[in-house]
Amino acid sequence: SAVISQKPSRDICQRGTSLTIQCQVDSQVTMMFWYRQQPGQSLTLIATANQGSEATYESGFVIDKFPISRPNLTFSTLTVSNMSPEDSSIYLCSVVSGNSEQYFGPGTRLTVT
Amino acid sequence: AQKVTQAQTEISVVEKEDVTLDCVYETRDTTYYLFWYKQPPSGELVFLIRRNSFDEQNEISGRYSWNFQKSTSSFNFTITASQVVDSAVYFCAVFTSGTYKYIFGTGTRLKVLA
Repeated sequence: SAVISQKPSRDICQRGTSLTIQCQVDSQVTMMFWYRQQPGQSLTLIATANQGSEATYESGFVIDKFPISRPNLTFSTLTVSNMSPEDSSIYLCSVVSGNSEQYFGPGTRLTVT
Repeated sequence: AQKVTQAQTEISVVEKEDVTLDCVYETRDTTYYLFWYKQPPSGELVFLIRRNSFDEQNEISGRYSWNFQKSTSSFNFTITASQVVDSAVYFCAVFTSGTYKYIFGTGTRLKVLA
């Protein structure tokens, strides 16, 4: 298994500002994933972040709105830019182990006012 | 395309009752993995089980059991003698190496009443 931490655990932000979420893993992993979970909804994949290459974004998500960094094999950041109330969600990072098991961080609860 | 359907949006049971959460999946891949996750009110996603497409044996872990039926593309989850601490949202998911993506169902909210 993998132990994943995220910072911040929660935040309340004003419309128009940006927030950067950090994800730290206790072991080296090739692929990291960022998900969004809107209130009462399922998980939606935002992007896949590989170390040393540009993140791959899913339909409906763009780099200008959700820039991602992946400087090494244990760390990644997701920025939510120019926030609006519709961005209020839980943001989760995850990794996949060698046996295809996916583990999630504790999530970042974002509220945009 | 991959898809996971959890038709039950919310289930309420009384403590000690058994409850089954349904999951039906769709995939064209012959090799895939199925998962169940628990999301308690705290929000953290807890991995419960992984099952690969070549292993149709049912599995039991304490009060939890899983029934994988490839013929009906179902991967149902049963909690025996439910407890209040089982109250959570439960997600079923499918992963294929072809797409290298996890697709989640919409989740089933389980409320266990004391």
